[in-house]
Amino acid sequence: QVQLQESGPGLVKPSGTLSLTCGVSGGSISSTNWWNWVRQPPGKGLEWIGEIYHSGSTNYNPSLKSRVTISVDKSKNQFSLKLTSVTAADTAVYYCATRGSSSFDPWGQGTLVSVSS
Amino acid sequence: QSALTQPASVSGSPGQSITISCTGTSSDVGSYNLVSWYQQHPGKAPKLMIYEVSKRPSGVSNRFSGSKSGNTASLTISGLQAEDEADYYCCSYAGSGTWVFGGGTKLTVL
Repeated sequence: QVQLQESGPGLVKPSGTLSLTCGVSGGSISSTNWWNWVRQPPGKGLEWIGEIYHSGSTNYNPSLKSRVTISVDKSKNQFSLKLTSVTAADTAVYYCATRGSSSFDPWGQGTLVSVSS
Repeated sequence: QSALTQPASVSGSPGQSITISCTGTSSDVGSYNLVSWYQQHPGKAPKLMIYEVSKRPSGVSNRFSGSKSGNTASLTISGLQAEDEADYYCCSYAGSGTWVFGGGTKLTVL
């Protein structure tokens, strides 16, 4: 069973870049799955950020597309998220998740990233 | 791309059935049978409960069922149990490789 684990700084300064990595264990990132990032601001709902295939193909949420880059490192069996020009509105729990064809399963445990000076 | 519309809260007594609606548009829910539902307990990651409108993953109770009519998908939980108290989110494919979630519904078991 594939397991996912997010890692990265828990605090980012306003106007800075948020960088997170999702390590994949129990399976290969070169499988037929897509690898996703989803976020959840405190007390609010889920927001899909974007996804990547092992080939490097990506899809992004149109509302975040100008600030988001998702990349994959097959040698380390992991994928990463970069979000630039962050503000307090980007404070959220960030989840990585995998998508087979039609749904997100499983998910990582999530990591809280706060944007504050 | 707007979030799918869910009621903020629903409630029911143990043993009863409840239904949570998820309303989208003809560009997402109405166009694709790619609606999924997630259960999230406080402080935990979401858990897949229903995929492709009405399919249940292995291990999910058959008390959970899904359906769709037009631009609205629904999640029904029968025989409510205390452990079902959680937040529930729908999600739909929205075309052009994008996905959209609902705003979430808090289920209270009275």
